[in-house]
Amino acid sequence: DTGVSQNPRHKITKRGQNVTFRCDPISEHNRLYWYRQTLGQGPEFLTYFQNEAQLEKSRLLSDRFSAERPKGSFSTLEIQRTEQGDSAMYLCASSNRDRVLNTIYFGEGSWLTVV
Amino acid sequence: GDSVTQMEGPVTLSEEAFLTINCTYTATGYPSLFWYVQYPGEGLQLLLKATKADDKGSNKGFEATYRKETTSFHLEKGSVQVSDSAVYFCALKGGSEKLVFGKGTKLTVNP
Repeated sequence: DTGVSQNPRHKITKRGQNVTFRCDPISEHNRLYWYRQTLGQGPEFLTYFQNEAQLEKSRLLSDRFSAERPKGSFSTLEIQRTEQGDSAMYLCASSNRDRVLNTIYFGEGSWLTVV
Repeated sequence: GDSVTQMEGPVTLSEEAFLTINCTYTATGYPSLFWYVQYPGEGLQLLLKATKADDKGSNKGFEATYRKETTSFHLEKGSVQVSDSAVYFCALKGGSEKLVFGKGTKLTVNP
């Protein structure tokens, strides 16, 4: 396994701009998750996909946030009209529901700073 | 809803000291329990897990036992090393697919 890959690792943007993060999951994993982590806190669930279907979304995922996984492989998370409160690390994770323990593996995260 | 409570840090120990990080949970049903570790500047790595009551997860000298009667999953290590310095997160996965995390406990081990 090459692991979960996220890009970019760091992004600084001005308030009001749009940003997009990409996640490439472990190759045979059919589930993909997005979490958000702010300083001093644990990760908070945002959304998850099974293949290309988005099956669950958190209330944290406001209408400025949109996630896609068009072909059931990589995923993108777009934040429109960024606000300073969006500054956080965005973590992607993946798992394979067909494996007994369905362990969730995380990427290294994408840091967003909104100035 | 489901929740996880961890002991607040930071925790500072000398090398070779015994480590305990407390974790308790609230969940309906029978969740799976996890400890993840986050080294500085990195993402989360799964440290160990347990899927049913009385299961003991272990890895790299760390252990945690799923105690249903006390709804706990405390992390222990008999002799910590400087390289164990990191933030440790307790988490559960209940009826849905999402992991619910505690706030994390920062551990610093001094030589």
